[in-house]
Amino acid sequence: GAVVSQHPSRVICKSGTSVKIECRSLDFQATTMFWYRQFPKQSLMLMATSNEGSKATYEQGVEKDKFLINHASLTLSTLTVTSAHPEDSSFYICSAPEGSSYNSPLHFGNGTRLTVT
Amino acid sequence: AQTVTQSQPEMSVQEAETVTLSCTYDTSESNYYLFWYKQPPSRQMILVIRQEAYKQQNATENRFSVNFQKAAKSFSLKISDSQLGDTAMYFCALGQGGSEKLVFGKGTKLTVNP
Repeated sequence: GAVVSQHPSRVICKSGTSVKIECRSLDFQATTMFWYRQFPKQSLMLMATSNEGSKATYEQGVEKDKFLINHASLTLSTLTVTSAHPEDSSFYICSAPEGSSYNSPLHFGNGTRLTVT
Repeated sequence: AQTVTQSQPEMSVQEAETVTLSCTYDTSESNYYLFWYKQPPSRQMILVIRQEAYKQQNATENRFSVNFQKAAKSFSLKISDSQLGDTAMYFCALGQGGSEKLVFGKGTKLTVNP
């Protein structure tokens, strides 16, 4: 069945460095992907909507210069956390709809646990 | 703005018994979808059940069923014959479409006890 592959599953980086997280749709094309952030024991908060061939749409309060999103192809979206700080430590999850119809199923990646030291 | 409220931070149930998780929501849209997702310790988001708002019939998936009260904007999840593997965080979510961005509730941590 359709799967969304997210890598890496865990990453530890030093403060001030940048980290790239990849989200790939396997066996289907995704013109749209969604990026969520989940703090420990909290809910998922939508950060941005990634659109293939155009700029991402960011939710209010999300710094677009800090969280760079690139939807390079119909199967790949990347989230880059630039100049990471300890407060960026969190769990990041992507999701993608399989298809373009209103009723298309939504698939989630397995998430990336980012720790900034 | 769309909001989803889960008023039960934690719940527990004995194996084989039935438990109901509550969810209320608010939206100004007339067409929308509601979801229940399960997130086990692995953090993988697993779709449990979904309901289209225009359908009056409550969705059912094996041991999982919902009580969708559109006028009251309520969408509770009933788990029958609870199993140890049902232990997880459960999130109620609202979307304008079946494949659109979702607004999640804060979650309910369910523990099934042997």
